[in-house]
Amino acid sequence: DQQVKQNSPSLSVQEGRISILNCDYTNSMFDYFLWYKKYPAEGPTFLISISSIKDKNEDGRFTVFLNKSAKHLSLHIVPSQPGDSAVYFCAASGGAGDYKLSFGAGTTVTVRA
Amino acid sequence: GAVVSQHPSWVICKSGTSVKIECRSLDFQATTMFWYRQFPKQSLMLMATSNEGSKATYEQGVEKDKFLINHASLTLSTLTVTSAHPEDSSFYICSARRGGGGYEQYFGPGTRLTVT
Repeated sequence: DQQVKQNSPSLSVQEGRISILNCDYTNSMFDYFLWYKKYPAEGPTFLISISSIKDKNEDGRFTVFLNKSAKHLSLHIVPSQPGDSAVYFCAASGGAGDYKLSFGAGTTVTVRA
Repeated sequence: GAVVSQHPSWVICKSGTSVKIECRSLDFQATTMFWYRQFPKQSLMLMATSNEGSKATYEQGVEKDKFLINHASLTLSTLTVTSAHPEDSSFYICSARRGGGGYEQYFGPGTRLTVT
């Protein structure tokens, strides 16, 4: 049973514009959320995270928004750059010492020049 | 910081043989390491969680006797695929969590296993 869902398998965006990636979750026990970026045949790279006590976290071009009541989070990348073309995974942890991560299926982002 | 390496990056083996994959945290101590498997165009599937000095905890459906995990030190975990079969061919990725750190896991580059 997929507890973390990324319903958009792909996203195409023009260079310089904003990329918005969405993620929904079903487990109300999830307490900590992370975004990872992955290139083919490589391991995921940690991008940004957010605790459930916050609704926004920003790091450079990346901002993650959390709407706990809707069980929804999003990643904004602005401005999008060609190097951002990759697969982005949303992940969630149960918190309280549960360090396992549940991953979404991923969204492939293509940044067009 | 937070660099994780994996070795080998790819391996081809014959059916029935065993393969060992190493995962090392290079610049931090990892109290917990995780092993994942990724099928083409799919998400990462957690196979097991290992804490240094204790037995690994396997996810439901993962055969512990087939996928042997050893977390011998704070910087090294190994995954041994025993009696490999073609259906074990996959991309195996490890991750590590810093001791005393948060929930972030830092991933290795992955190992492509092909069983012929």
